[in-house]
Amino acid sequence: DTGVSQNPRHKITKRGQNVTFRCDPISEHNRLYWYRQTLGQGPEFLTYFQNEAQLEKSRLLSDRFSAERPKGSFSTLEIQRTEQGDSAMYLCASSVKGGADTEAFFGQGTRLTVV
Amino acid sequence: GESVGLHLPTLSVQEGDNSIINCAYSNSASDYFIWYKQESGKGPQFIIDIRSNMDKRQGQRVTVLLNKTVKHLSLQIAATQPGDSAVYFCAENELTGGGNKLTFGTGTQLKVEL
Repeated sequence: DTGVSQNPRHKITKRGQNVTFRCDPISEHNRLYWYRQTLGQGPEFLTYFQNEAQLEKSRLLSDRFSAERPKGSFSTLEIQRTEQGDSAMYLCASSVKGGADTEAFFGQGTRLTVV
Repeated sequence: GESVGLHLPTLSVQEGDNSIINCAYSNSASDYFIWYKQESGKGPQFIIDIRSNMDKRQGQRVTVLLNKTVKHLSLQIAATQPGDSAVYFCAENELTGGGNKLTFGTGTQLKVEL
């Protein structure tokens, strides 16, 4: 499978715990994006990387959230001290740098439930 | 309130009919638009895209129309099939940073009736 891969697919955690998600982009895609999607809404941009550099972060990304892409390949998104409002689908996408009109491919997402 | 977001606009069509899904966007600076299909429990799947220097683009069974004057985008699906049932989102690309920072519209639930 050469698509964007996300793990785990589902995560249930207790409020206050830390969670970490992983995203493996399509090989050789140098841009990687994180989005959050709540029920009935479209995905909302969180952050994006070009290679290992984090180029932009949304105001939605509070200081409890941190994303890394240490070697410019896979990325992790960590949420510290989870809150019930963090419950959502976390989507990762990747694309090739080539101007503004290059297609972004999405993974299947990690569904987080905070209880 | 928060419950509004749970009630997606719904379009019901008969199998074999054509479907038209509409989307209004707000950012005049956007120059790239994409339609995504999202099935339950899955990530968005690319359908078709269009640049702002075009007003129409056709793919296999799908056509996207762009009206920049009124900031309106539509997706036409010909001969709709049961497999087309999903939520459809339009997305626009903001120009800041040059990356694909997509802003998604409110989705439309397409239901295909047999």
